[in-house]
Amino acid sequence: NAGVTQTPKFQVLKTGQSMTLQCAQDMNHNSMYWYRQDPGMGLRLIYYSASEGTTDKGEVPNGYNVSRLNKREFSLRLESAAPSQTSVYFCASSDTGAGGAFFGQGTRLTVV
Amino acid sequence: GENVEQHPSTLSVQEGDSAVIKCTYSDSASNYFPWYKQELGKRPQLIIDIRSNVGEKKDQRIAVTLNKTAKHFSLHITETQPEDSAVYFCAASWDTGNQFYFGTGTSLTVIP
Repeated sequence: NAGVTQTPKFQVLKTGQSMTLQCAQDMNHNSMYWYRQDPGMGLRLIYYSASEGTTDKGEVPNGYNVSRLNKREFSLRLESAAPSQTSVYFCASSDTGAGGAFFGQGTRLTVV
Repeated sequence: GENVEQHPSTLSVQEGDSAVIKCTYSDSASNYFPWYKQELGKRPQLIIDIRSNVGEKKDQRIAVTLNKTAKHFSLHITETQPEDSAVYFCAASWDTGNQFYFGTGTSLTVIP
């Protein structure tokens, strides 16, 4: 099993450019999440999806959009990247009510 | 929303000593408390968890305790080893919706 796979692993963007981070899980989990990790701030929830077809905002949704394409895939889009979005992004999935979240390997994004 | 506070932010211990990391949460509806270990440059990985109907759980050298009344839970690592050096995150969630709220992390260094 691959678990949670996210692409790309590294990305450099110029201010104002757009990009989509892709995430897929093969564990048949209902819930999927996007977090960003910044030094000293832990993991902050951007958006989550409790089931296919639903998405909800987390703590820091501004500047991001998401799509739950199907049960396996959950993408995160930056429409107009800003330097404040420089961060490490993690996708995760979990089985609702059944345990912890499993994380992808992360995407290190730098916006210059 | 839920607010999870974690202390200390850094912790250094001698190899063989014990380490304790403490977290508090604000929402009495939270009923699931996982702990994650993140090694440098890697993804967070679930190491132990506890549900609100249990006061303590142990897995070899690691244990977690929960005090629902005081809304705090702790991670205990005994007989620490250099490979325990990492950043540890606590989290809280509730079954419905299953959002995970993370603490800001504790950087543990085990000195050989």
